[in-house]
Amino acid sequence: GEDVEQSLFLSVREGDSSVINCTYTDSSSTYLYWYKQEPGAGLQLLTYIFSNMDMKQDQRLTVLLNKKDKHLSLRIADTQTGDSAIYFCAESITGGGNKLTFGTGTQLKVEL
Amino acid sequence: KAGVTQTPRYLIKTRGQQVTLSCSPISGHRSVSWYQQTPGQGLQFLFEYFSETQRNKGNFPGRFSGRQFSNSRSEMNVSTLELGDSALYLCASSLAGQGLGSPLHFGNGTRLTVT
Repeated sequence: GEDVEQSLFLSVREGDSSVINCTYTDSSSTYLYWYKQEPGAGLQLLTYIFSNMDMKQDQRLTVLLNKKDKHLSLRIADTQTGDSAIYFCAESITGGGNKLTFGTGTQLKVEL
Repeated sequence: KAGVTQTPRYLIKTRGQQVTLSCSPISGHRSVSWYQQTPGQGLQFLFEYFSETQRNKGNFPGRFSGRQFSNSRSEMNVSTLELGDSALYLCASSLAGQGLGSPLHFGNGTRLTVT
């Protein structure tokens, strides 16, 4: 079955890069996503990557996918205090429609 | 373009009651999915509707049901509420079926508290 894991906490200084990691188990993943959740809000789509890609860059965000190791990472360059939030990775699988399996979320704290 | 709209934002209900939550997808989106978010279980998939048909269902009891209307708006219903149903219920919409590069866009959720 599908299982997605993330570390629970990450603390970085403002201006540094943040790297949030995620591992998944299902080899039939089609898309992998990163969402951001701020307190009291829903999930904001940050970026997503098709499973046959190994990298995607979008402004300050870089997604790296190692399909062999089933490892996904999100790098945020020049991290700002406004980036403080919970970050979720999620996968969809072949034949699963729009069912996403989410990780537990990584709480990112950006300190001055 | 307006985002996914969920109403109401907050609800307080008593055990045993039933509740209906509403979701209006982004204009043009035909797929609507529902997720439950709790501190203990995280984000869990409830069900997905596409063109008024339930396409996929998660592992929730039959007390949880949903439907989609011809304008793609969706409702979910929870009957005989239990304390454990207290959660943030999130609705997400998508242009089409997964596999066509159409990601899910989420609303701000409905916070349900069961007392």
